[in-house]
Amino acid sequence: QVQLVESGGGLVKPGGSLRLSCAASGFTFSDYYMSWIRQAPGKGLEWISYISGSGNTIYYAESVKGRFTISRDNAKKSLYLQMNSLRAEDTAVYYCARDVIVVVPAVPDYWGQGTLVTVSS
Amino acid sequence: QVVLTQSPSASASLGASVKLTCTLSSGHSTYAIAWHQQQPEKGPRYLLRLNNDGSHFKGDGISDRFSGSSSGAERYLTISSLQSEDEADYYCQTWGTGFWVFGGGTKLTVL
Repeated sequence: QVQLVESGGGLVKPGGSLRLSCAASGFTFSDYYMSWIRQAPGKGLEWISYISGSGNTIYYAESVKGRFTISRDNAKKSLYLQMNSLRAEDTAVYYCARDVIVVVPAVPDYWGQGTLVTVSS
Repeated sequence: QVVLTQSPSASASLGASVKLTCTLSSGHSTYAIAWHQQQPEKGPRYLLRLNNDGSHFKGDGISDRFSGSSSGAERYLTISSLQSEDEADYYCQTWGTGFWVFGGGTKLTVL
């Protein structure tokens, strides 16, 4: 069965950096686009970024463009999110997800359980 | 940019049916959407993808109690025979090239 397990969250100071990982299993990882989505405490869902199976196609939300970098290692079946210049408003649970293509990456059909990132001094 | 609008809350009785609404912003009435469920303290779960013609495609293992329908710019999620575990937040979501958008979510209370 499809499993996605995030790790790497924690407490970081404003301006700091953190790298999140997502370990995938139960499907051919390299065949799928993958995404990061976050949820601030008590708030709704916000899409952050997605990456193609080859890693050649990447998009970011405006809120993180220039500060966050998505990447993947297909040999390790892992997805990553490098987060730099972190701000208090980046505090959230971060989810990785597998994407379904409907012409373009469209829908996250499997989600991880999330990892909490807290940005505070 | 497309915007999805959801009522913040809804309630229905155990065993009854409920219809949740997601409204697409002006000029975007042909967009397909997806519905996701988030039970308390859990990660979201994909329920179904819903086209503007009302055809829908469920996620793996999703109960027949969940169905979708469309009318104009409105996209609906109907949950029948409500159970206690259906008490959750429900989010609609749409997409385009290089972006995804989520609605604000509807908190469903099962009475």
